[in-house]
Amino acid sequence: QSALTQPASVSGSPGQSITISCTGTSSDVGSYKLVSWYQQQPGRAPKLMIYEVSKRPSGVSNRFSGSKSGNTASLTISGLQAEDEADYYCCSYAGSYSWVFGGGTKVTVL
Amino acid sequence: QVQLVESGGGVVQPGGSLRLSCAASGFTFSTYAMNWVRQAPGKGLEWVAFIQYDGTNKYADSVKGRFTISRDNSKNTLFLQMNSLRAEDTAVYYCAKGYGSGSYAFDIWGQGTMVTVSS
Repeated sequence: QSALTQPASVSGSPGQSITISCTGTSSDVGSYKLVSWYQQQPGRAPKLMIYEVSKRPSGVSNRFSGSKSGNTASLTISGLQAEDEADYYCCSYAGSYSWVFGGGTKVTVL
Repeated sequence: QVQLVESGGGVVQPGGSLRLSCAASGFTFSTYAMNWVRQAPGKGLEWVAFIQYDGTNKYADSVKGRFTISRDNSKNTLFLQMNSLRAEDTAVYYCAKGYGSGSYAFDIWGQGTMVTVSS
């Protein structure tokens, strides 16, 4: 399984919206509505932000939203805040109890 | 509160073995799928292994035949037995709880335990 493709970095000013793309194949992202997104602050464990493409776990800000079209999933952060600065990883179920992560995107708040 | 605590990491020579543990608390461990996910220094996340509540398991190709995932539901503990270790297995290893319908996401993560494979 090859890693999902994410941009290495995305930046935005406070209050702006940014979108992180996550491109896979018809064997993973394209086949299942089972994409999740994780936020990782430096030195910390990942935190689940979005699951099943667009669902938010309890406690996650509604500024975070997810979507999918074909083989590409996206995470949008609206009303960007300084605390959103972190690495973000997408993850897709790839069938037969296997998963594949993206390479990660560093979000910088200017 | 809901918590996962890993242990067992350390420095091991290439070809050596190590057994990681993940102690769960605050939730009914026996009813959830569990996973191991690793992160090499300065790199991204990599899914390593999965185990269902009933012991059904699956491995990433990179560790298949070398790593074994298991669980002891009576002790609320997840394990990862790592044999024939290679330099490329050097990473922080996280245990993660399955979440959502079918447990296809990972909602609770441990703090991670560092494994260094070096001579």
